[in-house]
Amino acid sequence: GDSVTQMEGPVTLSEEAFLTINCTYTATGYPSLFWYVQYPGEGLQLLLKATKADDKGSNKGFEATYRKETTSFHLEKGSVQVSDSAVYFCALRTQGAQKLVFGQGTRLTINP
Amino acid sequence: DTEVTQTPKHLVMGMTNKKSLKCEQHMGHRAMYWYKQKAKKPPELMFVYSYEKLSINESVPSRFSPECPNSSLLNLHLHALQPEDSALYLCASSQEGTANNEKLLFGSGTQLSVL
Repeated sequence: GDSVTQMEGPVTLSEEAFLTINCTYTATGYPSLFWYVQYPGEGLQLLLKATKADDKGSNKGFEATYRKETTSFHLEKGSVQVSDSAVYFCALRTQGAQKLVFGQGTRLTINP
Repeated sequence: DTEVTQTPKHLVMGMTNKKSLKCEQHMGHRAMYWYKQKAKKPPELMFVYSYEKLSINESVPSRFSPECPNSSLLNLHLHALQPEDSALYLCASSQEGTANNEKLLFGSGTQLSVL
């Protein structure tokens, strides 16, 4: 079945550090890929998405590129801020499927 | 209005109580979802409504009963819950529910505690 694997957290970085959170997937067909972010005490917010191979999603300084050859969608940011502290979920959805398949989530803490 | 609104934000109930969670959106979305999220875990899909009809039930126990009275509202009726049902319950909506590039818009959730 479809699945998403994220790097295990928690991840702790200093402010202005470079961030990478790894995400790989297994899916039939050509899924769309998403990164969602969850701040403490809140629901999930869509951070970015990509719908086909080689697409790059970007938002708020975060980027991720849909790599079909490596079945990956790694999240990157060049300079993190304390306000980026949250849990990040990688997810996929295949055509016709009403279900969003989530990875386990990666907790990110940024220290000043 | 570009939000999914959930009420209440917090709920404490006993195992013999009956309560309901409410979810509302006014974006014209035709698919609505209930997810359950335990601490430090990803959300787990419970139910999907598409055009006001139940299209997915992920083998959820009958003590959870969803209802979609109209295209803007989604309820989750709770009865005889167990302490292990304590979790964050998230509602979400999307445009149609079938296109793989559709984003889900989530509400802030109801934090449920069952005593």
